[in-house]
Amino acid sequence: AQKVTQAQTEISVVEKEDVTLDCVYETRDTTYYLFWYKQPPSGELVFLIRRNSFDEQNEISGRYSWNFQKSTSSFNFTITASQVVDSAVYFCALSEAQRGGSEKLVFGKGTKLTVNP
Amino acid sequence: EPEVTQTPSHQVTQMGQEVILRCVPISNHLYFYWYRQILGQKVEFLVSFYNNEISEKSEIFDDQFSVERPDGSNFTLKIRSTKLEDSAMYFCASSGQGGSPLHFGNGTRLTVT
Repeated sequence: AQKVTQAQTEISVVEKEDVTLDCVYETRDTTYYLFWYKQPPSGELVFLIRRNSFDEQNEISGRYSWNFQKSTSSFNFTITASQVVDSAVYFCALSEAQRGGSEKLVFGKGTKLTVNP
Repeated sequence: EPEVTQTPSHQVTQMGQEVILRCVPISNHLYFYWYRQILGQKVEFLVSFYNNEISEKSEIFDDQFSVERPDGSNFTLKIRSTKLEDSAMYFCASSGQGGSPLHFGNGTRLTVT
């Protein structure tokens, strides 16, 4: 069965600090996708990134970067120079392709990040 | 950028009542989903829908739940007889061909009293 573990329940940092959110996953599939979503206090789920299991290249998007390591089944997310607006709950998720091409996401429990001024 | 739209944003209903949550997925998407998030907990898959039929459902999605795509634009989730434990944020999502990422709506907060 698929499983996503986000061991950090809550993290609190001061603005401009770098912060890494950990994500460890379990799956028996060889083809799968990994995601990060941001949930700000307003409640919506904001898509951040999707990475397939064959692409282990790290990705950087502005202050955000992701480190995918298949050897340790991890897909960690780093925010550089954090800002107050980064305060949110961040969810890591895993999907395997279902029949017909739809995707069923399995989410971790989320990490609540608080960035203090 | 096109987005998934959900209405209403907040629905309050009494236990035992039927409720319909509405969603307008992104127009050229083919796959539709409902997810649920009980307050303070993780997001859970309920059901996926493709080609006018359910492609997969979770054990949460029992006989009290149903989904429908009544026309070319709307996608609805019906709960026949709501229970207190159905109180949650319900997210609709859609995705396109070839494994494009899921895009979620802003959610409907359902409160059952």
